[in-house]
Amino acid sequence: DAGVIQSPRHEVTEMGQEVTLRCKPISGHDYLFWYRQTMMRGLELLIYFNNNVPIDDSGMPEDRFSAKMPNASFSTLKIQPSEPRDSAVYFCASNINTGELFFGEGSRLTVL
Amino acid sequence: SQQGEEDPQALSIQEGENATMNCSYKTSINNLQWYRQNSGRGLVHLILIRSNEREKHSGRLRVTLDTSKKSSSLLITASRAADTASYFCAIEGNMLTFGGGTRLMVKP
Repeated sequence: DAGVIQSPRHEVTEMGQEVTLRCKPISGHDYLFWYRQTMMRGLELLIYFNNNVPIDDSGMPEDRFSAKMPNASFSTLKIQPSEPRDSAVYFCASNINTGELFFGEGSRLTVL
Repeated sequence: SQQGEEDPQALSIQEGENATMNCSYKTSINNLQWYRQNSGRGLVHLILIRSNEREKHSGRLRVTLDTSKKSSSLLITASRAADTASYFCAIEGNMLTFGGGTRLMVKP
């Protein structure tokens, strides 16, 4: 299996622009998680899905953030409009509720 | 919050020495996991210890869990330069929450 695949790996954008991050979980995994990692706040859980349904989005910082999972093999995290404080590495992870999380390589976002 | 707190935040040792990292948490847990993150990469699962287990081994890794003290430790024996990475504990309650990590540097 190719593992969790995230794109883009790097994104540089200007404040106010829309950003869309993409994730393909491991086939057969029914849980998908979006995390954000910064030096100041560490690794924060933003939202997670089970069988494509959002279960807990309490970590989503603001209404500017939205996440969707239209099918079992694809999820997006959208920020609109983006702000400099959104600069971080965003990770997608998946599992089959056995505890162990499988992470993608992350999308490094820089908002100027 | 169930978030774990790692100690120390940074650790520098010589190759061949043992490295010990500690994790403390505040509430009851189901399981506790340890992950490794190389610079610029995603996190990789190392080991899971269940709340009813006290010690677990995997290769050069040894994890202990003391639920009475709400703490866990990760020991890496005979460290290698390739062990240089950040190590995170993750507390498994209703969801998995991560601590701030320990940055380990192993000097050749």
